[in-house]
Amino acid sequence: DVKVTQSSRYLVKRTGEKVFLECVQDMDHENMFWYRQDPGLGLRLIYFSYDVKMKEKGDIPEGYSVSREKKERFSLILESASTNQTSMYLCASSPPTQGTNTEAFFGQGTRLTVV
Amino acid sequence: GESVGLHLPTLSVQEGDNSIINCAYSNSASDYFIWYKQESGKGPQFIIDIRSNMDKRQGQRVTVLLNKTVKHLSLQIAATQPGDSAVYFCAETSRSSASKIIFGSGTRLSIRP
Repeated sequence: DVKVTQSSRYLVKRTGEKVFLECVQDMDHENMFWYRQDPGLGLRLIYFSYDVKMKEKGDIPEGYSVSREKKERFSLILESASTNQTSMYLCASSPPTQGTNTEAFFGQGTRLTVV
Repeated sequence: GESVGLHLPTLSVQEGDNSIINCAYSNSASDYFIWYKQESGKGPQFIIDIRSNMDKRQGQRVTVLLNKTVKHLSLQIAATQPGDSAVYFCAETSRSSASKIIFGSGTRLSIRP
């Protein structure tokens, strides 16, 4: 079974802190994604990566950056955390769209609270 | 712009009845659609998918219907059970969007005993 693991289930950080959210997948997937999930807004794409060292902005990249130094790991970075970044963060991975099955597999999520 | 939306944010059904969750999408270039189920405290999990060259696909107790003419997607759950209580998301992607997967806002399905 595909496994996507997020390093923390719950995090509490202070405003202005630099925050790292880590995600690792074990299926050798090319694509990896970071979403945030807020009530009534569904899942909004922050960044995605389709290869090592490659990244593309999603719909809400402001205040975030990402790093993909290895294929299995995709990190989300909050350069200076703010209270409006309090949210559930979901990491996902998927094979490339050229394949026959492009479903995304999700981690359990990290609930981040910025105080 | 691209958007994937749902007609109803919440749905309440009697246990044993069939559930129908609807979704509208706006990107005509989308060629792959997925339904996810998210239970409380968990990440979304794949339920069923459908490609744009199909209009119906069936799984175990679930059926997805795709109407490309009106850009509409639906998820039908037969004989709804308490374990079906969750938030359901539709998602779309296309080769032209470089693997980006866009999700709708979700529908919460609750089951009445």
